[in-house]
Formats: sequence, structure tokens, C-alpha cells
Amino acid sequence: DSGVTQTPKHLITATGQRVTLRCSPRSGDLSVYWYQQSLDQGLQFLIQYYNGEERAKGNILERFSAQQFPDLHSELNLSSLELGDSALYFCASSVSYNSPLHFGNGTRLTVT
Amino acid sequence: ILNVEQSPQSLHVQEGDSTNFTCSFPSSNFYALHWYRWETAKSPEALFVMTLNGDEKKKGRISATLNTKEGYSYLYIKGSQPEDSATYLCALRAGGGADGLTFGKGTHLIIQP
Repeated sequence: DSGVTQTPKHLITATGQRVTLRCSPRSGDLSVYWYQQSLDQGLQFLIQYYNGEERAKGNILERFSAQQFPDLHSELNLSSLELGDSALYFCASSVSYNSPLHFGNGTRLTVT
Repeated sequence: ILNVEQSPQSLHVQEGDSTNFTCSFPSSNFYALHWYRWETAKSPEALFVMTLNGDEKKKGRISATLNTKEGYSYLYIKGSQPEDSATYLCALRAGGGADGLTFGKGTHLIIQP
């Protein structure tokens, strides 16, 4: 058990809808990362937060947004969903830049 | 967008044999190189975090080396066992640490009994 909790585990929704994925980092970890894994793709970096502030941005679409709250949990909001957004979304947390990432079990999103 | 390349994409190795694979990355603005092991139906788990040129890390039968000047890292597995079957990912942090962690697509290792 990595100590990183992601909810829900599975999400099925229709095109055009909006969903929120939630992540609770490991106790003591200040950084939260979001990744997307689509079919035949590796882990695509979306965004990183550190202690409530956005620290780095990757290939995150404008339809997607995220935030990290004072209690350090994070939410990834996906809106105007398209079929191509179907993927496994991972959250990971770490203590610092030189620390390894600890991954949650992922949220599998299916857009129909 | 950083280009982190891993080769080969997949590898079949006989049980007991040793193997190695490569992670290549742009050497400019290097900050750290991570290795992860990802078993099917699980989440990636960290193996090593390497920051210094010439760094070598070891965990049991698995070891890694780092060359930041030429932009590559090798992962070695000695005496492969069936439980070593997994996808091995490397990830680069650049930009003085300010950038996120960019992953390669991984090397899928299958150990044949």
C-alpha cells in the first residue's frame, strides 16, 4: 500500500459531461502529481502541485483543471468530456524533488 | 516537451539470465533520473532516484547507472526471476527541479521459465 488514495476507482460517464477525480497524498507528502495513461501511451504528465500551489504543467488540456487544497488533497476536474479522454488517471505524491513518487491505484475513466 | 526514450520496447529473457536496458534523455538542464517498476494490475513502484553523474544504485539483483553528460541510464537485472516480469519505467526531472517528472514509455520485460 503506497498510502496514496484515489477515488473513485472506476467512472463511466457520457461525452460532454464533467467529472472530478480525487486524490489524498501520503501522510507528510506536500507534492501531488497527476498523470494520464491512455491505450498504447506511457504515463503523460498533466500537472504538479506543491503545498497548494501549481508547480509544473505538462500536457494538460484546457478542459482539464486541478487544485490542491489546504489539507493537501487534490482534485482533477475534467469537463466537456470526449471519447478520447477515456484513460487511467494516476495521482502520485512525494516529499521533495529528489524523492521518489508514490502512486495511487488510479481512476479508470470510461467516456461513452 | 522532454523526450525520454527507452529501449528496447520489450524483452524476453530466460530465467537465470542477466539483462539490461537503456533510458536516454536530453542532458541539458538535468536534475534527477528515476526508475520505476510497474507490474500488471498494480501501480508503479519506485526503484531508484539518481542525481549525480556516475551514480550507481543497487537494490538486490537490480542496479542502475547514470551518465548525465551523455544523457543515458542503464538498468541491470542479474539472474532474472519470473517475479522480475514487469514494465520498467525511467523518468526525468529537468529544469532545475522546477519541471514535472516526464516518463518514458517503458521496457516490458518478460522472464521465461
